[in-house]
Amino acid sequence: AQSVTQLGSHVSVSEGALVLLRCNYSSSVPPYLFWYVQYPNQGLQLLLKYTTGATLVKGINGFEAEFKKSETSFHLTKPSAHMSDAAEYFCAVSVTTSGSRLTFGEGTQLTVNP
Amino acid sequence: AAGVIQSPRHLIKEKRETATLKCYPIPRHDTVYWYQQGPGQDPQFLISFYEKMQSDKGSIPDRFSAQQFSDYHSELNMSSLELGDSALYFCASSLLGSQHNEQFFGPGTRLTVL
Repeated sequence: AQSVTQLGSHVSVSEGALVLLRCNYSSSVPPYLFWYVQYPNQGLQLLLKYTTGATLVKGINGFEAEFKKSETSFHLTKPSAHMSDAAEYFCAVSVTTSGSRLTFGEGTQLTVNP
Repeated sequence: AAGVIQSPRHLIKEKRETATLKCYPIPRHDTVYWYQQGPGQDPQFLISFYEKMQSDKGSIPDRFSAQQFSDYHSELNMSSLELGDSALYFCASSLLGSQHNEQFFGPGTRLTVL
């Protein structure tokens, strides 16, 4: 079984500041890890994913995340927040089998202050 | 690029009524997933289908049923609706055998039960 814990249901940053959203996972097998973003009343959009290989992955909109197996973490970062980054962010895990379900964390609401 | 299509986008029903949600996956995708997202909650996996066969089952109530048709579209049938069924229902699709189990989400159907 897999699970995801996102530390901090709400994160607030100033425009231009560093964004750090925390995600820790639990998995009995090597995981696939994902970050999704959800804008109000919209669907889920994939930001980035880790499968195998390079542990630092880059995604869309300037976001990146680093897979740290020893810490079972997959934190999402962006060097400089933009007002348009305000949204709900979900970390998700699946097993390394194509077609397997995604298990989501509880989400982190990011607020960007001018 | 074609995306996952869900219909209807909004649905209002009374308690004890039935509802049918439809999902049209991305062309050539053969796997469909259904997720339920309650207000302020993370998406929860309900059920998935591959090549018209149920491939995985999550926390789907017995009152719900789903199937995938020969053209790969899927329908989620919900009966004896309860107030607690009010949620955003997402469909996602993927191509089994794709390298990274990337699921593409539709915009969701917002079901309100009165």
